[in-house]
Amino acid sequence: DAGVIQSPRHEVTEMGQEVTLRCKPISGHNSLFWYRQTMMRGLELLIYFNNNVPIDDSGMPEDRFSAKMPNASFSTLKIQPSEPRDSAVYFCASSLVGGGENEQFFGPGTRLTVL
Amino acid sequence: QKEVEQNSGPLSVPEGAIASLNCTYSDRGSQSFFWYRQYSGKSPELIMFIYSNGDKEDGRFTAQLNKASQYVSLLIRDSQPSDSATYLCAVNKHSGYALNFGKGTSLLVTP
Repeated sequence: DAGVIQSPRHEVTEMGQEVTLRCKPISGHNSLFWYRQTMMRGLELLIYFNNNVPIDDSGMPEDRFSAKMPNASFSTLKIQPSEPRDSAVYFCASSLVGGGENEQFFGPGTRLTVL
Repeated sequence: QKEVEQNSGPLSVPEGAIASLNCTYSDRGSQSFFWYRQYSGKSPELIMFIYSNGDKEDGRFTAQLNKASQYVSLLIRDSQPSDSATYLCAVNKHSGYALNFGKGTSLLVTP
């Protein structure tokens, strides 16, 4: 299995620009999670999907952030407009939930720098 | 009170010793508990999960769960320099599938 795939691995952009992060979950997994990691706040859940439906988006910072999962093998996290405080590492994780199990597997992350 | 709390460390242990990492959580409805290892510049890697009270062993790793005390721990026996990393404790939210992570404990194993 290829694991969770994220692109791009690094993104440098200027304040005000739109940023789109992409994620391909592990095949067969039914849940997908977007996290953000910073030194100050640690690893924070932004949103998660189950069977392509958003279940918990309480971690999405504000309306500038949006996430979609059009099918079981692809998700995007979009920031528009981006701000310097959005600089962080963004991780996507997937899992096969149900039956009492919930192990999440992380992708390599996208390091975002907003200048 | 933070939902998942860990001592940030660094915790320094000599090679071959037992490293003990601790975590407390606030949500009594949590059912799933995880330990992730994260090397600098890398993504979190799942190393252990535990769902029931008691101990769970996997190789050099033992996870311990005490739901009454809302306490989870990870023991690493025969610590190796390659175990030097940040260890993240994660707990599911409100009996659901989303996870709350602690900020991690930095472990340094010295040769």
